[in-house]
Amino acid sequence: DVKVTQSSRYLVKRTGEKVFLECVQDMDHENMFWYRQDPGLGLRLIYFSYDVKMKEKGDIPEGYSVSREKKERFSLILESASTNQTSMYLCASSLDYGGTQYFGPGTRLLVL
Amino acid sequence: KNEVEQSPQNLTAQEGEFITINCSYSVGISALHWLQQHPGGGIVSLFMLSSGKKKHGRLIATINIQEKHSSLHITASHPRDSAVYICAVGTPPLGRRNYKLTFGKGTLLTVNP
Repeated sequence: DVKVTQSSRYLVKRTGEKVFLECVQDMDHENMFWYRQDPGLGLRLIYFSYDVKMKEKGDIPEGYSVSREKKERFSLILESASTNQTSMYLCASSLDYGGTQYFGPGTRLLVL
Repeated sequence: KNEVEQSPQNLTAQEGEFITINCSYSVGISALHWLQQHPGGGIVSLFMLSSGKKKHGRLIATINIQEKHSSLHITASHPRDSAVYICAVGTPPLGRRNYKLTFGKGTLLTVNP
C-alpha cells in the first residue's frame, strides 16, 4: 500500500515564524502535491512537483514556497507565517499525471 | 460560480438507505474523481472515471460526459459510511504534466443507526 506521511498532525506557530511542513511518500511516485483545505472552500492546490527539483505553482502559491531535493520528500515552506495561513494542509502523491492521488493524514496549522 | 458543484451539501440518512450524491461541473474534463474524507482528515480515493460506471463493493459511481454530471451511490448505507464525500475533476488531458484537480466543496454524509 502507498504510504504518505506528514511530519506533524498539529502545529502551533506565531505570526512571522518560518514554518516547514514535510511530506514523505514511499512508493517512488513522480508527482507530489500540497493542498490547503478550508471550511466552505474545499481543497485548493498550492504547489506541485513532477520531478526532483521541479515545481509548478498551483492556484494559491502566494506566501508559500516548496522544496523537492529527493524524490520521496516534498516540503512546504511558509517564509513568514500569517494568521490567514491557519488551515489544514494536505500532501498527496501520484504515479502518473492524472492518476489516483494518495493523501497524507494532514497537518492542522494554527498561526497565532 | 465554482467549476465543480456538489449536492446536497449535507445529507442525513438511516442505516440501510440508498444514498445518492451529485456532482456537476462546467468545464471539459479528462477524468472525474470521487474521494472520501473521514473525521480527522485522511482522504482516500474511491474512484477515478472518465466514462460509464464503476462499482466497488456497495459504492457505485457514474458519469455522463455530455451532461457534465456524475453521481456517487451508496447501497445499504451503514454508519461507517459517515464521512465527507468530495468530487474532483481533472484537466487538461491525462498524461499532461500540468494535469490538476479542481475540487468540489464536499458533501457531509451522516448515517444514523
